[in-house]
Amino acid sequence: NAGVTQTPKFRVLKTGQSMTLLCAQDMNHEYMYWYRQDPGMGLRLIHYSVGEGTTAKGEVPDGYNVSRLKKQNFLLGLESAAPSQTSVYFCASSIGENQPQHFGDGTRLSIL
Amino acid sequence: SQKIEQNSEALNIQEGKTATLTCNYTNYSPAYLQWYRQDPGRGPVFLLLIRENEKEKRKERLKVTFDTTLKQSLFHITASQPADSATYLCALEGYGGSQGNLIFGKGTKLSVKP
Repeated sequence: NAGVTQTPKFRVLKTGQSMTLLCAQDMNHEYMYWYRQDPGMGLRLIHYSVGEGTTAKGEVPDGYNVSRLKKQNFLLGLESAAPSQTSVYFCASSIGENQPQHFGDGTRLSIL
Repeated sequence: SQKIEQNSEALNIQEGKTATLTCNYTNYSPAYLQWYRQDPGRGPVFLLLIRENEKEKRKERLKVTFDTTLKQSLFHITASQPADSATYLCALEGYGGSQGNLIFGKGTKLSVKP
């Protein structure tokens, strides 16, 4: 049982490039989340989804887009990467509202 | 806006002692609170969830309290071991209408010395 899998694990981009981070979960969870974690800032919610085909903005959504075309996958896109988006990105999923969240091991993204 | 504080960035204790971590919040009243453990280079791992009508919850060597009057949660690890060394995150239910989203504290890094 893999749980939550994030790909890639590491990536270096140049300013202005685009990329997509993939999150896959095999627990049949309805809710999925994307966070970023920066030193001294803690985990901050970027976007989330409460079910297939739905997405919503979190605390820091600017510069990111998401899609949830399949229940098991949640994609995070950066259309034009900026150095301020250098961070560690975590995906999580949960059965539903008010339930524990299961996290992947993160994608370490550097933007030069 | 709601604010959550874990008032120690780091806590160093001796093996066998009880570690106590504090989480304080302001400006609202969450219905529940969660604690997570995060190891370097890994994602957070869920430990315990406590609801506003529960004063205390235990799991093996872990104990969590939730004082809605003080707006505080305490997380205890009894008989601590070096393997308990990690960063511990407190997370609260987001303010109303958040669809169950969590707001995380910045974490407390616990080091247990042999």
